[in-house]
Amino acid sequence: GQQVMQIPQYQHVQEGEDFTTYCNSSTTLSNIQWYKQRPGGHPVFLIQLVKSGEVKKQKRLTFQFGEAKKNSSLHITATQTTDVGTYFCAGRFYNFGNEKLTFGTGTRLTIIP
Amino acid sequence: DVKVTQSSRYLVKRTGEKVFLECVQDMDHENMFWYRQDPGLGLRLIYFSYDVKMKEKGDIPEGYSVSREKKERFSLILESASTNQTSMYLCASSFPRTGNQNQPQHFGDGTRLSIL
Repeated sequence: GQQVMQIPQYQHVQEGEDFTTYCNSSTTLSNIQWYKQRPGGHPVFLIQLVKSGEVKKQKRLTFQFGEAKKNSSLHITATQTTDVGTYFCAGRFYNFGNEKLTFGTGTRLTIIP
Repeated sequence: DVKVTQSSRYLVKRTGEKVFLECVQDMDHENMFWYRQDPGLGLRLIYFSYDVKMKEKGDIPEGYSVSREKKERFSLILESASTNQTSMYLCASSFPRTGNQNQPQHFGDGTRLSIL
């Protein structure tokens, strides 16, 4: 089946360093969403990207959707301890059902104080 | 605030048992979803429902069934539990897609199910 690959699986950074996670699909996505799951918690919606080449910012977080709509990235500038958690992308494929999202495998971010 | 409530946080069952996981949402969402979450595999969709009595298979439906008799409630059923179904199960709900945008999914706290 169609998959969304996400790398890296783990990332350990010093507090204050930047962090980036990447999602890649072999086929074009209709849209892509990003979620954050804190340790012991449930995934929480962060943002959705729809347009080719779209860039959105939320404070220190920058989200990008590739020109071909096959890849996306989440970049965090100057990480803080509150950024700890697992970040998931979730994409909708054009030829799948309207409501089905395919989640990436997630990137777990840990912060070294 | 959206509330998605899963009936149990932790559950222990034996192989061969029929297991019911319940999920209730209070936001009048049309869509409801069941995922399982395993280390290194992310969230995998088991089944989803876009209306009462309607259901569609996700990526890993084998060994599972679902029931949606009321809009606010979506049940996941393990017909005959096996050890490889030990996992974290997450329920989610959302409004329907509008145009090219899927609506955010709201998740419950999850049920950690152990099959012995």
